[in-house]
Amino acid sequence: DVKVTQSSRYLVKRTGEKVFLECVQDMDHENMFWYRQDPGLGLRLIYFSYDVKMKEKGDIPEGYSVSREKKERFSLILESASTNQTSMYLCASSSEGTFKAFFGQGTRLTVV
Amino acid sequence: KNEVEQSPQNLTAQEGEFITINCSYSVGISALHWLQQHPGGGIVSLFMLSSGKKKHGRLIATINIQEKHSSLHITASHPRDSAVYICAVSIDNAGNMLTFGEGTRLMVKP
Repeated sequence: DVKVTQSSRYLVKRTGEKVFLECVQDMDHENMFWYRQDPGLGLRLIYFSYDVKMKEKGDIPEGYSVSREKKERFSLILESASTNQTSMYLCASSSEGTFKAFFGQGTRLTVV
Repeated sequence: KNEVEQSPQNLTAQEGEFITINCSYSVGISALHWLQQHPGGGIVSLFMLSSGKKKHGRLIATINIQEKHSSLHITASHPRDSAVYICAVSIDNAGNMLTFGEGTRLMVKP
C-alpha cells in the first residue's frame, strides 16, 4: 500500500525554536509538497519539490524553508517558530503527470 | 473570491439520507479531486475526474466541465461517513499543482 509518513502527529514547540517536520514517501514519487491547513482558509501550499535538491515556493513560503536531499524525504523547516505558525501541516507526494496526490496523516503543530 | 468554492460549509444528516456536496471553480483545470479528511487529519483521495461520472461503493462524483461544477453524492449515508470533504482542482497540465476548496464538514447522526 502507498505510504506518505510524517514524523510526528502532534508537536508543541516554543517561540523562537527551530522546528523540523519530516515527510517520507515510499512510492518513488518525483513531486512532494508541504501544505498548511487553517480553519476558514483550507489547504495552502508552502513549498514543493519536483526533484532531489529542487524546490519551489508555494503561496505562503515566508518563515519556512525546505530540504530535499533524497528522493523519498522532504523536510519542512521553521527557522524560528512563531505563534502564527500554529497549524496543521500536511505533506503530499505525486508521480509526475499522474494527477493523483497521496497525503500524510498530518502534523498538528502548536507554538507557544 | 476563492478559485474553488464549496457548499455547504457544514452539513448534518440523519443516517440513511442522500447527501450532496457541491464544488464550483472559476479557473481552467486539468482534473478535479474529491478528498476525505477524518478527524485526526489524514487525507484520502476519493476520486479524480476530468469528465463525466465516477462511482465507488456508495460514493458518486460528477463533473460538468462547461458549467465548471462538480458534485459528490453519498447514498445511504452512515455515521462513519462523518468527515471533511475537500474539493481540489489541478490547474497545471502536469496535474501537480492543486488548488483547494475550504472543505465541507459532514456529520451523519445515527
